[in-house]
Formats: sequence, structure tokens, C-alpha cells
Amino acid sequence: GQNIDQPTEMTATEGAIVQINCTYQTSGFNGLFWYQQHAGEAPTFLSYNVLDGLEEKGRFSSFLSRSKGYSYLLLKELQMKDSASYLCGRVDSNYQLIWGAGTKLIIKP
Amino acid sequence: IAGITQAPTSQILAAGRRMTLRCTQDMRHNAMYWYRQDLGLGLRLIHYSNTAGTTGKGEVPDGYSVSRANTDDFHRTLASAVPSQTSVYFCASSEGASGTDTQYFGPGTRLTVL
Repeated sequence: GQNIDQPTEMTATEGAIVQINCTYQTSGFNGLFWYQQHAGEAPTFLSYNVLDGLEEKGRFSSFLSRSKGYSYLLLKELQMKDSASYLCGRVDSNYQLIWGAGTKLIIKP
Repeated sequence: IAGITQAPTSQILAAGRRMTLRCTQDMRHNAMYWYRQDLGLGLRLIHYSNTAGTTGKGEVPDGYSVSRANTDDFHRTLASAVPSQTSVYFCASSEGASGTDTQYFGPGTRLTVL
């Protein structure tokens, strides 16, 4: 919703690497969140980026390019438990958090 | 309790009935939120409260009312349920009221209106 675009669904293999992209409207940008949501459960915080560059947290990394209106979430050494939806959320000029529709990631053995 | 709780966890409701969805947090967070999540649409904000005693409307407030009588509780009422309100409803809270504050979500309430 509201100019935030993510792929609807992605499939990857256990042990591999996957990159989930998120593009957004660049005007009035105040930060970008990534959340993980397992089926039937609540979203949980993964990362927050407000400056350009890559932030690494274990197997998960998040990248931001403010000038391009682009972020990605990189998941390494995929495990079956990483099967979930990944939600991209953009903080707008009014400091409201606007969510994308989410990317469903399916991990296959 | 630790975190956010919601009640009920699921509910089937006849159209036209009134219902209150409850949300309680014990983290002393200032801000609280109600979202609905529908397939293919992501999370949409219904109402928010930046501090106890204040509330505001989000993207999709129609048919709902909310109350924030104290810091811990943010309850939401459907005055007369309609089938389009069938959804999963999440309550969330954050320490501050800015969108840059990390939001913590409750387990959700799955509502079906027949």
C-alpha cells in the first residue's frame, strides 16, 4: 500500500541466500523497517534503517539507498524456520509508519 | 504478563452485533495502535493513541471506536459488525509516538462476521 512495493512471494532453498526487495516513494522519507511474520503469528521486528548502507545482524542484513528509494533484506544460510512473510514499512513525512503488503518466503529442502 | 495481550484470540460474530476487542500492554509504552491485516493488503492502521486519554484515526477507521483510558489498555469496539470487518486485527505498542519507534505486536484477534 501507498507506494511501497514488494514481491508477493519468493521461493528459496534451504542453506541458500535470498534477497527480498522493497521499493518506496522517496519524498518525505524518515526510515524503513523490516518485520518477520510467521503464519498465524504476530509481526516481529527485524531491522530499522534510516541511513544509507548495509546493517548486519547475524544471518540477516538490511540495506538502504535513500536516493533510489530502495531497500532489501538479505537472508543467509536459509533455514526452514525462515519460511514466513517479510514486511517492509516506511516512515513518512508525518512520522507515520506505512506498510507494504509483505513478501511470503517459502523455503524448500 | 509480558508484552501485549489481546482478547479474544478468535471470534465468530453475527452481522449487526456489537463487540469489543481488548488490548493490554505491560511495557508502559506511550503509544498504541490497532491494525487490520487482510490478504494481499498488508497492515492497515485503524486507530492510534499517542498517549493515555488521546486517540486518532488511521487509514481505515470506519465502524470502529476506541478508548485509551489509561496507559496499559487500548480497547476497540465494533458498534454493529458487518461482513467486510472480517479480518485479523493486531494491537501494537511503541515507547514513543513517532513512526520511527519500534512497534511490538500482540498475537492478534481473528474475527469472522457472518
